[in-house]
Amino acid sequence: QSVLTQPPSASGTPGQRVTISCSGSSSNIGSNYVYWYQQLPGTAPKLLIYRNNQRPSGVPDRFSGSKSGTSASLAISGLRSEDEADYYCAAWDDSLSGPLFGGGTKLTVL
Amino acid sequence: QITLKESGPTLVKPTQTLTLTCTFSGFSLSTSGVGVGWIRQPPGKALEWLALIYWDDDKRYSPSLKSRLTITKDTSKNQVVLTMTNMDPVDTATYYCAHTHYYDSSGFGYWGQGTLVTVSS
Repeated sequence: QSVLTQPPSASGTPGQRVTISCSGSSSNIGSNYVYWYQQLPGTAPKLLIYRNNQRPSGVPDRFSGSKSGTSASLAISGLRSEDEADYYCAAWDDSLSGPLFGGGTKLTVL
Repeated sequence: QITLKESGPTLVKPTQTLTLTCTFSGFSLSTSGVGVGWIRQPPGKALEWLALIYWDDDKRYSPSLKSRLTITKDTSKNQVVLTMTNMDPVDTATYYCAHTHYYDSSGFGYWGQGTLVTVSS
């Protein structure tokens, strides 16, 4: 079964740099682009990173994405209180023939 | 400006069929490469992709739900409809529709606000 694995939680203090990992397999991250979403409480997800490391217009450069092999990471530098949210990775899965979402990581800003 | 909005019942009974409509503006589903997807999120849980439909009427379904799902489009009305049969309480979730492109089909750049569907007798 295709799965994208994320840590359930992450935390940091204001100004810190935090990273969130996303582990997959050859059928998803290993052969397709990775996308990252931010979901603030009570709102719809927002596309944060596309094609591994590209930021849509309006997304601060504090957010960056990277991919290596079958894993990907989202880094947030200069952490702010408004970054407290759930973060999801996603990638096309060739076995699924559709998008696959990770389990999500709840980021707490201490 | 691209917008999407989901509509449909907020409460359905077990075994009933759910029909959700996504009405959008700012793009056309007849434009090459464009797609609309449905994603759901049970309360407190993760996002789950359900179905995708593209400009050329190519349709994709989550294998685990394929037998229960049907996605269609009405280009003239700028609408995409998702039906899910045999609803169960575990299908209680917020259902989102979202805009995507064929070559970025895990990249949903615009989302509707979502609609909470509760399955209960």
